[in-house]
Formats: sequence, structure tokens, C-alpha cells
Amino acid sequence: AQTVTQSQPEMSVQEAETVTLSCTYDTSESNYYLFWYKQPPSRQMILVIRQEAYKQQNATENRFSVNFQKAAKSFSLKISDSQLGDTAMYFCAFMKGDGANSKLTFGKGITLSVRP
Amino acid sequence: DAGVTQSPTHLIKTRGQQVTLRCSPKSGHDTVSWYQQALGQGPQFIFQYYEEEERQRGNFPDRFSGHQFPNYSSELNVNALLLGDSALYLCASSWGQGLRGYTFGSGTRLTVV
Repeated sequence: AQTVTQSQPEMSVQEAETVTLSCTYDTSESNYYLFWYKQPPSRQMILVIRQEAYKQQNATENRFSVNFQKAAKSFSLKISDSQLGDTAMYFCAFMKGDGANSKLTFGKGITLSVRP
Repeated sequence: DAGVTQSPTHLIKTRGQQVTLRCSPKSGHDTVSWYQQALGQGPQFIFQYYEEEERQRGNFPDRFSGHQFPNYSSELNVNALLLGDSALYLCASSWGQGLRGYTFGSGTRLTVV
């Protein structure tokens, strides 16, 4: 079974600064996908970024980028130029890549607060 | 283009009752998954429907059942409600196996009293 661990329950960052959210996972699979989702107070889970395990290049989406360390089973999210709208819970999630079992396994999440 | 629509947004039920939650997937999506999110926790996978059949199931008792209709919309049914069933229930849709990620709805907040 896969597990996803987010050990930091809360983080705070000043507006316009950079923050990194940590995530580790455990799996015996070689083909899988990793995701970061954002959940603002509106409750809707929003996909932030996606990483395919077989790709060595780290994914980037505008101000969001990841540091994917496959051997260490680490998948951190870096948010640059933090904005007030980034305040939300952030969840790291794992999905097997075989297609037959495409459920998401989530971590417990981290609450990020961006201070003005 | 409408995203994932869930109804109702909030619901209060009494222990022992039955409840039905509804989900309309994003246009073009054919797969629907349901997740339970307890307060302060990450979502837990309940089950997934594709082509009107349950394709995968998480570690939830048989009190949790579902259905997918020909238009890809879905229902989640919970029988004999327990206090511990109080949670946010999220519906997520995707095209096919969802390897590019899922689109989530805003959820149904269920409170069991």
C-alpha cells in the first residue's frame, strides 16, 4: 500500500516571499504520478501541479514548481512570489500509473497562511 | 463550461437514517470517484465508477454504495448513518483513468446527529 506523509501541519509566509511545502511518500511502484492539490475555504480541491515519476524534469506551473527526488521519495512544492490568494490547505497525493488503480492517496495536508 | 456539481451543499441527518448525495461530472468526463474528508484530514477514497460499474473500492463498509447513470452522473448512498460518517464528501471526475488529475466538486458537508 502507498502512504503519503506531510509532516508540517502549518506554515506561514510573507506576501511576495517564497515558501516550500514538504511531502514524502512510500511505494514499491515504479510507474506513478504525484500531485499537489490546493483546498481553499471554498472547499473545492484544485489541481496545482502534476509530476510523472518517469520524467526526471521537475514540473513547473507559473509560480509553482516541484522538487521531485525519486530515490528519496520526496516531492516538495515551491511557491514563489506568494500571494494572499495562496492561503489554503495543500495536499500532496499519489496515484499508481497502471491505469487499473487510479485512486488518489492523499497526505494529511498542510495549512498555508500568507501574511500581508 | 460547468465543472463538477454536487448537491446538496449541506445536509443534517439523524443517526440510523439513510442519505443520498449527488454528483454531475465535468462535461466530457466519464469517470466519477467519491472521497470522504474528515475535518482536518486528507480525503479518503471511497469508490470509483466507470461505465456504470464500480471499478475500484476503498476500505469502506457495505453501508456505502453508489451508482453511475448513463449520463455519467453519480450518487453516493450511505445507510444506517453513524456519527463517524460526519464529513465532507467530495466527488471527483476525470476522463478515463484520471492520470492527468481529477476535477473536484465543492463537496457535500454531511452532519450526523
